[in-house]
Amino acid sequence: GAVVSQHPSRVICKSGTSVKIECRSLDFQATTMFWYRQFPKQSLMLMATSNEGSKATYEQGVEKDKFLINHASLTLSTLTVTSAHPEDSSFYICSARDTQGGPLHFGNGTRLTVT
Amino acid sequence: QKEVEQNSGPLSVPEGAIASLNCTYSDRGSQSFFWYRQYSGKSPELIMFIYSNGDKEDGRFTAQLNKASQYVSLLIRDSQPSDSATYLCAGSLNSGYSTLTFGKGTMLLVSP
Repeated sequence: GAVVSQHPSRVICKSGTSVKIECRSLDFQATTMFWYRQFPKQSLMLMATSNEGSKATYEQGVEKDKFLINHASLTLSTLTVTSAHPEDSSFYICSARDTQGGPLHFGNGTRLTVT
Repeated sequence: QKEVEQNSGPLSVPEGAIASLNCTYSDRGSQSFFWYRQYSGKSPELIMFIYSNGDKEDGRFTAQLNKASQYVSLLIRDSQPSDSATYLCAGSLNSGYSTLTFGKGTMLLVSP
């Protein structure tokens, strides 16, 4: 089955630093990947759609200069949280689907804690 | 505003019973629907997807879709304590399964 690998699974950083999260599709190619954020006891909220070879599409209210997305290849998308603050602490989850079609599969998520 | 609505629960059922999870959606253009299970602190995992009216069965799980009434349901037969999790319903506008709109999820508790 389709496997999406996300790294790191957990990161603690100090306020003002930047954190990079990687999302890889291991056994399929993904033209499009999606980045979600989930606060405790809340649903998944789509942050942005990552498009291979072009700019990401951000959802309303998501700062593109704060959450930098790079989708340089068909198997890798990265999300960089720049100048992180405590309110950015959340569970970040990427997802992808095969370019051949099929449902979305999720990575294991990254729990970010900003102190 | 495209919305997917779910009762937050918790839905409590005894072990061995049938758990019925429901979901309604507002966008009549939605074509495909997905049920994900999410354990606390973990990422969602796909259980089933359905895009045709009627029932779709996979093991202990049955997904039901009624496009006229705009609802989707998930039945879990012979519920087990390990089924205790939050179940997320999601809809997609097209059969290409692109951007999903998620409901807030229903927490299911299966007691031994």
